[in-house]
Amino acid sequence: AAGVIQSPRHLIKEKRETATLKCYPIPRHDTVYWYQQGPGQDPQFLISFYEKMQSDKGSIPDRFSAQQFSDYHSELNMSSLELGDSALYFCASSLEGLAKYNEQFFGPGTRLTVL
Amino acid sequence: AQSVTQPDIHITVSEGASLELRCNYSYGATPYLFWYVQSPGQGLQLLLKYFSGDTLVQGIKGFEAEFKRSQSSFNLRKPSVHWSDAAEYFCAVVPTSGTYKYIFGTGTRLKVLA
Repeated sequence: AAGVIQSPRHLIKEKRETATLKCYPIPRHDTVYWYQQGPGQDPQFLISFYEKMQSDKGSIPDRFSAQQFSDYHSELNMSSLELGDSALYFCASSLEGLAKYNEQFFGPGTRLTVL
Repeated sequence: AQSVTQPDIHITVSEGASLELRCNYSYGATPYLFWYVQSPGQGLQLLLKYFSGDTLVQGIKGFEAEFKRSQSSFNLRKPSVHWSDAAEYFCAVVPTSGTYKYIFGTGTRLKVLA
């Protein structure tokens, strides 16, 4: 079965640079979630999109922005990178139409290292 | 505010021994409950989930979890641990209405002794 695809899997950037993370949800899934997992931390919710509209927002820095495109893939744009942005970034997708049975399927993550 | 507590940060068990990982949640109504496992450098793999019905849930890899409403708990168990079970385990909840973002516990790191 198709899974959530994230690219790139690894990314190394310098401070103050910009990074773009991509997420391709499971086919037919209409909702995408982004999570950030710092070293030794639990995943923290950043932002979510349903049908290309932002549906919820968590502790996402103003330096970060995201969107969901017409093909339902999503991109997380991160600017003015800081050392503290080094983390594993997960994308998850779900089929919102299932509503009460909203299991999220997680991608393998993108490991971002900021030097 | 909703929260998830995993009281044990680290647990060490011998291979073949039984395992129980604790998870308590704080929420006004029964949320949807999940257990995920994360191997080092890897993504999150769903072990099992509880939405409603039978309070004893069977998952993959021989894991099970029991939902206890009176204790607001959803503890994960395995009768006999294998060395390959060494990983980090996260309990997560999703409210039954409104946002569907996952709220994760802080995780329990399991070490298995040969």
